Amino acid sequence: EIVLTQSPATLSLSPGERATLSCRASQSVNNYLTWYQQKPGQAPRLLIYDASKRATGIPARFSGSGSGTDFTLTISSLEPEDFAVYYCQQRSNWPPLTFGGGTKVEIK
Amino acid sequence: QVHLVQSGAEVKKPGSSVKVSCKASGGTFNNHPISWVRQAPGQGLEWMGRIIPVLAIVNYAQKFQGRLTITADKSTSTAYMELSSLRSEDTAVYYCLENYFDYWGQGTLVTVSP
Repeated sequence: EIVLTQSPATLSLSPGERATLSCRASQSVNNYLTWYQQKPGQAPRLLIYDASKRATGIPARFSGSGSGTDFTLTISSLEPEDFAVYYCQQRSNWPPLTFGGGTKVEIK
Repeated sequence: QVHLVQSGAEVKKPGSSVKVSCKASGGTFNNHPISWVRQAPGQGLEWMGRIIPVLAIVNYAQKFQGRLTITADKSTSTAYMELSSLRSEDTAVYYCLENYFDYWGQGTLVTVSP
């Protein structure tokens, strides 16, 4: 089973700042890495798939990069609605589908 | 666009079973995998298993083997997740997820309480 480790667990930033979130896989997932945003009481929302492709309707301030085992989600300038929990997920070698533990982006 | 609509919240006793449904409206999902993912209060996302309805293939996370049954009714585009021998640690929101287009259901809260 591929284990995904996200860091940091919590990121405290102010609106307008840049957020950099990391997701590391225990073995290569090629580019089959997905990023989700989740707000309280809501289902996860697809942001990025195949490591770097923005989903429909996702603002350009969200970008994904990386390959193999190391991936990054960058939010170039945080908007108030971006404060949420972010999860990575791999489906390179599934089942099982695996998720990272999440990074909470909170208002500083 | 397909919408996945799940059945309503459930309250169950320890040791009992729960069955949650997930119906595709606006389309069908017969060709694509449907997964079940759960989220305990304040915790992360946990994949439980999947079904590929058209192939009748089912896979379960090892943690749930023997306790989880995932089925699908192709005629109604509805998937089901049944979890047995419930314990308090199974209290969570359960989501269905269409894996190809990444559509999520709205979630179903299952509370296990004496």
